[in-house]
Amino acid sequence: ILNVEQSPQSLHVQEGDSTNFTCSFPSSNFYALHWYRWETAKSPEALFVMTLNGDEKKKGRISATLNTKEGYSYLYIKGSQPEDSATYLCAFRISSGSARQLTFGSGTQLTVLP
Amino acid sequence: SQTIHQWPATLVQPVGSPLSLECTVEGTSNPNLYWYRQAAGRGLQLLFYSVGIGQISSEVPQNLSASRPQDRQFILSSKKLLLSDSGFYLCAFSRGGSNTEAFFGQGTRLTVV
Repeated sequence: ILNVEQSPQSLHVQEGDSTNFTCSFPSSNFYALHWYRWETAKSPEALFVMTLNGDEKKKGRISATLNTKEGYSYLYIKGSQPEDSATYLCAFRISSGSARQLTFGSGTQLTVLP
Repeated sequence: SQTIHQWPATLVQPVGSPLSLECTVEGTSNPNLYWYRQAAGRGLQLLFYSVGIGQISSEVPQNLSASRPQDRQFILSSKKLLLSDSGFYLCAFSRGGSNTEAFFGQGTRLTVV
């Protein structure tokens, strides 16, 4: 059973603050690491897909890094805004298996206070 | 463009009744299809995935089953629902290949009473 852990479980920040959270995953048989944003009453939407050790991806104020050797990824949000409030899920994909299914963490619930 | 449709959005069913949740994908062929469940306070748990018609893999033992009668149709079923089947169910697809993300349906909130 693959274990993907996210921390913290929940987080409250003030508007304008920068924040980051962590995703830990098994370092063996690594194939890809995904980050999703899940807003209330909507479907999860992909933010980033990262595959190479040292990968850094950026989309606006949100960025992510990947360390496959030690098995972790960080998601950073710079200058948080209320619309960033959502649950952020990471998902790990191993290199074996034809469907290469995603194993999700339990998510970090971010609330940005105005 | 690719889209995924999942219905119904909400469902209240009595214990012991059957279940059928349907998911269809448009705009792509031979997708990988997935059923996930989010239990209260937890992340997404993979229930079933399928790489082709009639090919179903189960990740966890449970009271549910899945079927893929057509290339872009994925159905989640139960013959007799249990209270513990309550939760939020999400269907998703991904395109075959390497670094493709999953696209999710709107989800079904199932309450077994």
